[in-house]
Amino acid sequence: GQSLEQPSEVTAVEGAIVQINCTYQTSGFYGLSWYQQHDGGAPTFLSYNALDGLEETGRFSSFLSRSDSYGYLLLQELQMKDSASYFCGKAAGNKLTFGGGTRVLVKP
Amino acid sequence: DTAVSQTPKYLVTQMGNDKSIKCEQNLGHDTMYWYKQDSKKFLKIMFSYNNKELIINETVPNRFSPKSPDKAHLNLHINSLELGDSAVYFCASSQRDPAIYNEQFFGPGTRLTVL
Repeated sequence: GQSLEQPSEVTAVEGAIVQINCTYQTSGFYGLSWYQQHDGGAPTFLSYNALDGLEETGRFSSFLSRSDSYGYLLLQELQMKDSASYFCGKAAGNKLTFGGGTRVLVKP
Repeated sequence: DTAVSQTPKYLVTQMGNDKSIKCEQNLGHDTMYWYKQDSKKFLKIMFSYNNKELIINETVPNRFSPKSPDKAHLNLHINSLELGDSAVYFCASSQRDPAIYNEQFFGPGTRLTVL
């Protein structure tokens, strides 16, 4: 199957750290992507992991463990503008299959 | 400069009508996609084209017909619209190389409402 599991919602305060976990089924797995989508907006690419380990891009980092079929997106020093939905996407078979999205709400 | 553009942004129509959504990308990408995002925010791929050739068709009803006149354009025509077709439709594009095709660039979306 192609399903990915991620939490539906996370709430945190400004300055905090949030980790969004994503588990996936391994069939045809090539890599794991993360996208951000603000309400009313389009998904925008954040990061991609094809190999095990941590990829850091500014305040956001993404991690992959292929042996555990698991990855996460780490949001550090949360800001109000980080309030959005975050989608993990499994790259396999020339396409991306997305999880249901995690809505992150940042409070002052 | 707009990278991936879609028209129209909003589309309100009656059940049974036929409508089209247009998409253009100026990124020089080889591959273009259509996604459907429903009211629960599930984002699901519908079609993928590479250099005008259909490569992915995800069990979409045949009322939906994509057309790619050239690799910069991918249009979506929908016949006999149904209530369940109400959603936001996103066009996207990427390079063909599997190492980087995962980075997709999305258009602003077309919000389709079927009454």
